[in-house]
Amino acid sequence: GAVVSQHPSWVICKSGTSVKIECRSLDFQATTMFWYRQFPKQSLMLMATSNEGSKATYEQGVEKDKFLINHASLTLSTLTVTSAHPEDSSFYICSARKTGRRDTQYFGPGTRLTVL
Amino acid sequence: AQTVTQSQPEMSVQEAETVTLSCTYDTSESDYYLFWYKQPPSRQMILVIRQEAYKQQNATENRFSVNFQKAAKSFSLKISDSQLGDAAMYFCAYRNPMNRDDKIIFGKGTRLHILP
Repeated sequence: GAVVSQHPSWVICKSGTSVKIECRSLDFQATTMFWYRQFPKQSLMLMATSNEGSKATYEQGVEKDKFLINHASLTLSTLTVTSAHPEDSSFYICSARKTGRRDTQYFGPGTRLTVL
Repeated sequence: AQTVTQSQPEMSVQEAETVTLSCTYDTSESDYYLFWYKQPPSRQMILVIRQEAYKQQNATENRFSVNFQKAAKSFSLKISDSQLGDAAMYFCAYRNPMNRDDKIIFGKGTRLHILP
């Protein structure tokens, strides 16, 4: 398999501050990464698709100015939650697409964000 | 638009017994992938099994097997000899890598309890 990491694994911040979450593909290059949000006891909700070297594609209803995504290299995508509020508290998961004979998406371990 | 439906929010099975989780999906595409993912309490998404739609043979991974009925758009997961470590949330998922956006579409999940 392939490994995708996320940092930090958990973060607590004050309301109004910004938080950056990193997603890295450790042993493969990923031109495409995905960011999901998961509320307790619910399924994963796709927020946006991140493409290396171009703007992210956001799902309907996701505020692009609030959730800034940057995919500056083939192994790193970042999600910045700007001016975080308590309702942004959630579990954020990224995945990275590894192309090849078995085109597969690999998931990171997730980041728990708590906004006080 | 593609949809994935898991009609069983929760299920329980006695340890060492067999359990089947149901999943139906809707798509107009003929070629796609179907997946079952496991999300244990750690919340790391783990790929359990993958099925390519063009393959008639049902995928099998050790104690996990699927019953893929393409015409009926059904994709159930059978877990044999259930173990305590199988307790988790299970998500059925659909993906068409030929789509420009290459999204994974998840069902709402089934929480599986293993009774000792």
